[in-house]
Amino acid sequence: KAGVTQTPRYLIKTRGQQVTLSCSPISGHRSVSWYQQTPGQGLQFLFEYFSETQRNKGNFPGRFSGRQFSNSRSEMNVSTLELGDSALYLCASSLAGGGVTEAFFGQGTRLTVV
Amino acid sequence: GENVEQHPSTLSVQEGDSAVIKCTYSDSASNYFPWYKQELGKGPQLIIDIRSNVGEKKDQRIAVTLNKTAKHFSLHITETQPEDSAVYFCAASRGGGADGLTFGKGTHLIIQP
Repeated sequence: KAGVTQTPRYLIKTRGQQVTLSCSPISGHRSVSWYQQTPGQGLQFLFEYFSETQRNKGNFPGRFSGRQFSNSRSEMNVSTLELGDSALYLCASSLAGGGVTEAFFGQGTRLTVV
Repeated sequence: GENVEQHPSTLSVQEGDSAVIKCTYSDSASNYFPWYKQELGKGPQLIIDIRSNVGEKKDQRIAVTLNKTAKHFSLHITETQPEDSAVYFCAASRGGGADGLTFGKGTHLIIQP
């Protein structure tokens, strides 16, 4: 079956701009989580969505937001980009979120802010 | 919040030898402990996970042990092979799946031929 698909794979943006990243989960998966990966901070949790509702949120500023659609696809948006937002953004999907359930990560979107 | 420490940051072993990576966590309410393998240019891949009601879990050459009292868990890879070379991450959370995971900083495992 198809895995988690993230688009685009690479993105270059200028400081002050905004960006939208997309994640299509595995068919049937209803939970989508987003993570930021940087060499300095490692993997950090951004937020988790289940059935179009944000259920959990990490410690990121309000410039980072997301949403989930009725087909479970998710988008995350970063406004007023800063150089420090350069990172690999990963999404992961799982069947139901909590409980005994395996999560599958996509290949990520590499965002470079110049 | 949760804090996960992972050691070592780099581990080099001879092919065929065993590798052990250790993690400690701080939140006693954490009950889900997955391990991920990340190869260059790819997203993390779950290789094994354990819940707090289990002390040990094994899957072929990979095993994970959990000591809830000491708040530490370890990944054991036996009979290492070149394809085991990658970065390995431990993580902890109160739930399951990928929701709210706190990750360690990662271990770069190098298998020497």
